[in-house]
This record gives sequence, C-alpha cells and structure tokens, in this order.
Amino acid sequence: GDSVTQMEGPVTLSEEAFLTINCTYTATGYPSLFWYVQYPGEGLQLLLKATKADDKGSNKGFEATYRKETTSFHLEKGSVQVSDSAVYFCALVTGGGNKLTFGTGTQLKVEL
Amino acid sequence: GAGVSQSPSNKVTEKGKDVELRCDPISGHTALYWYRQSLGQGLEFLIYFQGNSAPDKSGLPSDRFSAERTGGSVSTLTIQRTQQEDSAVYLCASSFNGGTASPLHFGNGTRLTVT
Repeated sequence: GDSVTQMEGPVTLSEEAFLTINCTYTATGYPSLFWYVQYPGEGLQLLLKATKADDKGSNKGFEATYRKETTSFHLEKGSVQVSDSAVYFCALVTGGGNKLTFGTGTQLKVEL
Repeated sequence: GAGVSQSPSNKVTEKGKDVELRCDPISGHTALYWYRQSLGQGLEFLIYFQGNSAPDKSGLPSDRFSAERTGGSVSTLTIQRTQQEDSAVYLCASSFNGGTASPLHFGNGTRLTVT
C-alpha cells in the first residue's frame, strides 16, 4: 500500500539557517504530493503541493520538488524564522481523490 | 470565516465506556474526513463522507468505531466500549468537493484519553 517516510525530529535550527526536511514515498500509480503544517494550537493546514513529476510547489518561502526518480518530495527553506516553528507533515494521494496518506510528522524548532 | 470546529477538545473516559466526538465542517464543504493521530504515528485515515454517497469506511479499525454525517453537515464519530489503545487525537477535516485540487481544512482535534 501507499506510505510516506519522513525524517524524525525534532529538528532544531537557528534563525536564518537553511532547512531541509526529507520525505520519500511509496505509492501505486502517480500520486499527488503535499506538505501540511501544524502551528502550535492550530489545525493542520496545506503548505504546498505538487501534482506531477518535476513540479515545484512553493509557499511562504518553502519549496518542494516532486522527484519521481528518487520518489522524494523534500521540503526546503533558505532562511527559517522563529515563526516557522511547527510540525510538518508530508502526504500523498493517489487516484484523483483526497484520501491522504500522511507521514509521521517532523517537529521544527527555530531559535533566536 | 469559521473553520472546522471539533468538540470536545479533550475527553477522558474509562475503559469500556462509549464516547461521541463531534465535528462541524466548514459551511458548503461537501467532503468530510476523520483521521486519528496516535503518539509517534502519522495521521491514520478512518472514514470519508462525500455528499450523499455511501461513506468510505475502509479505515475504521474495528466494529466498535462508527460515524454518521447528518444532513450533509455535522458528523459524529462514536467509539463503543473504549479500549486504552483508542487513546489518540481524533482529527476532522473538510474540503470543498473532495477532489485533489481542494485542500483539506482540519479542526484542532479531540484528544481522547482512555484510562
């Protein structure tokens, strides 16, 4: 079945550091890929998505590129801020529906 | 506008009791999902409602779990004869039409603790 593997956290960075959170997947067919973010005290919300190979999703300075050859969708940001502290979830969906398969989440802590 | 609302935010119950968890989706959203997040686990799909179609119950872990969606709006997830392994955060989400292009909007969840 479909699955998503994320790097374990917590990841602790200093403000303005470069961020990478790794995500790889296993799926039947050609999935759409997503990153969701959960800020403290809030519900999960969509951060970015990519629906086909080589697409790049971007939002709020975050980027992720759909790499079919490595089955990866790593999340990156060039300069993190304290306000980026949150839990980040990689997810996929196959078949054109919206029943997402999520990874376990990676907690990011950004310190001054 | 109002987001997805879940109640209660926290629930502590004794093993063997029944519990009901409520979800109010965003008005106008036809798709509604329940997920469960256990400690150290990813979000586990439970059940999916889309309009008037029969729900996708493929993620319900046992027959102690059931869910209803009345009038295409509010949903209730019921867990009968709760067990300690049912302890988790139960998340509800809704989306405009259930398609891939329609993002899920999540509530803050109900944290269930079974003692």
